[in-house]
Amino acid sequence: EDKVVQSPLSLVVHEGDTVTLNCSYEVTNFRSLLWYKQEKKAPTFLFMLTSSGIEKKSGRLSSILDKKELFSILNITATQTGDSAIYLCAVEQYGNKLVFGAGTILRVKS
Amino acid sequence: GAGVSQSPSNKVTEKGKDVELRCDPISGHTALYWYRQRLGQGLEFLIYFQGNSAPDKSGLPSDRFSAERTGESVSTLTIQRTQQEDSAVYLCASSLAPVNEQYFGPGTRLTVT
Repeated sequence: EDKVVQSPLSLVVHEGDTVTLNCSYEVTNFRSLLWYKQEKKAPTFLFMLTSSGIEKKSGRLSSILDKKELFSILNITATQTGDSAIYLCAVEQYGNKLVFGAGTILRVKS
Repeated sequence: GAGVSQSPSNKVTEKGKDVELRCDPISGHTALYWYRQRLGQGLEFLIYFQGNSAPDKSGLPSDRFSAERTGESVSTLTIQRTQQEDSAVYLCASSLAPVNEQYFGPGTRLTVT
């Protein structure tokens, strides 16, 4: 059975802290791994990772993929209250299907 | 430009009634996806349309669920004889296949009473 597991399930930090969110997967026909940020109802796209060891960065966010150990991490530095959201990890399979993890709920306190 | 839109934003229906949910994808996006998110759970894939190919219906949970897409535009997800366990947010996404960066709509929150 294909599965994506995210940890921790939830996290509370203070503004300025650095957080690391984890995503491990066991999915057949792996094509890419994606990270989304979900506030309210609709997730917004953050990163797509296809190759191991290549870090992707966008401002205070960065992510890296390890295809040998089957995991990815999402780092957020200097967290802000606006970073509070659910962070979703998904693995795309060939055939354009996505398998989602349950998400990590991040709350940043001021 | 315009993003993915969905309607209605909220729908309350009685158990046993049929409902139709609509999705307007981004113009030019050939791929369209429907997902379901139950409270506290991750996104669950329902169905995928790609151009004129036969849709991938492997995620539909029962034969009460069906979806159609008109060409490469509007899609409708229909749930017949709704049950309380159908209560969820139904999200639609579109993408320019084969690049699978999906853009999500705001979702429809369905409540079955």
